Amino acid sequence: KNQVEQSPQSLIILEGKNCTLQCNYTVSPFSNLRWYKQDTGRGPVSLTIMTFSENTKSNGRYTATLDADTKQSSLHITASQLSDSASYICVVRDSNYQLIWGAGTKLIIKP
Amino acid sequence: DADVTQTPRNRITKTGKRIMLECSQTKGHDRMYWYRQDPGLGLRLIYYSFDVKDINKGEISDGYSVSRQAQAKFSLSLESAIPNQTALYFCATSETGAKNIQYFGAGTRLSVL
Repeated sequence: KNQVEQSPQSLIILEGKNCTLQCNYTVSPFSNLRWYKQDTGRGPVSLTIMTFSENTKSNGRYTATLDADTKQSSLHITASQLSDSASYICVVRDSNYQLIWGAGTKLIIKP
Repeated sequence: DADVTQTPRNRITKTGKRIMLECSQTKGHDRMYWYRQDPGLGLRLIYYSFDVKDINKGEISDGYSVSRQAQAKFSLSLESAIPNQTALYFCATSETGAKNIQYFGAGTRLSVL
């Protein structure tokens, strides 16, 4: 069964610190992998999209990496800010164009 | 104004009642989607529509129906609400194409008592 698993479930870090969120997937073959940010009480917002041929993509302080061989992706946040507090969701699109959503990592940034 | 607008934002209803959630968009996208989000789970697709005449069931369509009234409007109905339909519901839109980034509304929090 196609699955997307994220770790950790939740993470608390101090403002200004870096962090890395993990995503492992079993979707095969896959079309692309996305990271979304979901603020509390809001809908998800796209951060990055990577195809199987891309192994890194940046969006400001967010950098996503992809290893299609090991079926792993990570989202690295540099110099965290209070506004980074949110859930981060990994989503994989399969070859039938269906999106498989991870449960997300809840990130809390403390001052 | 938001590009994807959902109404209502919150709704409390009783078991057995009929409920309609509405979604409208100003992005000009042909594709629209309805998802539900439950704590600890990923978003699950209920229905999707690639244009006004094309409506498809998603992963969890039982107990739900939809209507695509126009390119900009896509509504979700619960014909007879039950407590396990208590969830956060999201509408989304996207362009066509391989990357088709989805743009989400702010969500409707539904409680079925």
